[in-house]
Amino acid sequence: QLQLQESGPGLVKPSETLSLTCTVSGGSISSSSYFWGWIRQPPGKGLEWIGTIFYSGSPYYSPSLKSRVTISVDTSKNQFSLKLSSVTAADTAVYYCASLQFYYYYAMDVWGQGTTVTVSS
Amino acid sequence: EIVLTQSPGTLSLSPGERATLSCRASQSVSSNYLAWYQQKHGQAPRLLIYAASSRVTGIPDRFSGSGSGTDFTLTISRLEPEDFAVYYCQQSGSSLWTFGQGTKVEIK
Repeated sequence: QLQLQESGPGLVKPSETLSLTCTVSGGSISSSSYFWGWIRQPPGKGLEWIGTIFYSGSPYYSPSLKSRVTISVDTSKNQFSLKLSSVTAADTAVYYCASLQFYYYYAMDVWGQGTTVTVSS
Repeated sequence: EIVLTQSPGTLSLSPGERATLSCRASQSVSSNYLAWYQQKHGQAPRLLIYAASSRVTGIPDRFSGSGSGTDFTLTISRLEPEDFAVYYCQQSGSSLWTFGQGTKVEIK
């Protein structure tokens, strides 16, 4: 059964780069049946899609974050990662990684538990 | 970019009652790419419905989805205590994914 786990610093200083990794277990990140995605949720607010990537393709990014976001895949480690540059307090959120399975028309079927990232000096 | 607007923002109902949640898109959405999620406090979202009306395995049949074009609905036929949560619709069109702002179903 597919499982995802986010990891990375819980505290990032303003203007720095937020870096998170999602480790995939129970399946291969190189599977042609999946895309992989990042979603965030600011405290007390709704879900915001950040971006999605296929293991061998170009990523898709939210237009509102596109200038600051990089998502990449490391097939050797079965991981994908998120980098968000020039962070501000508005980037404080719970960050989730998720799988998007072809069977579900690329809805987000399996989610990590989420990791809280606070932007503060 | 397609904007999804959910209504109402909050639904106050009693266990056993029927819940009807609306999701309206700013432009037409392919039914294949409309999904619904449930999120309980402190937990990750859970996929309930995909392709507008298909239930994920293990999701009780009291949950049903319907709609097409710009108007979609999630119905919970008889609310159980564990159904009180926040529900989000989500679409993926033109390689952009967006979520609605959520509907909170609370106990009356």
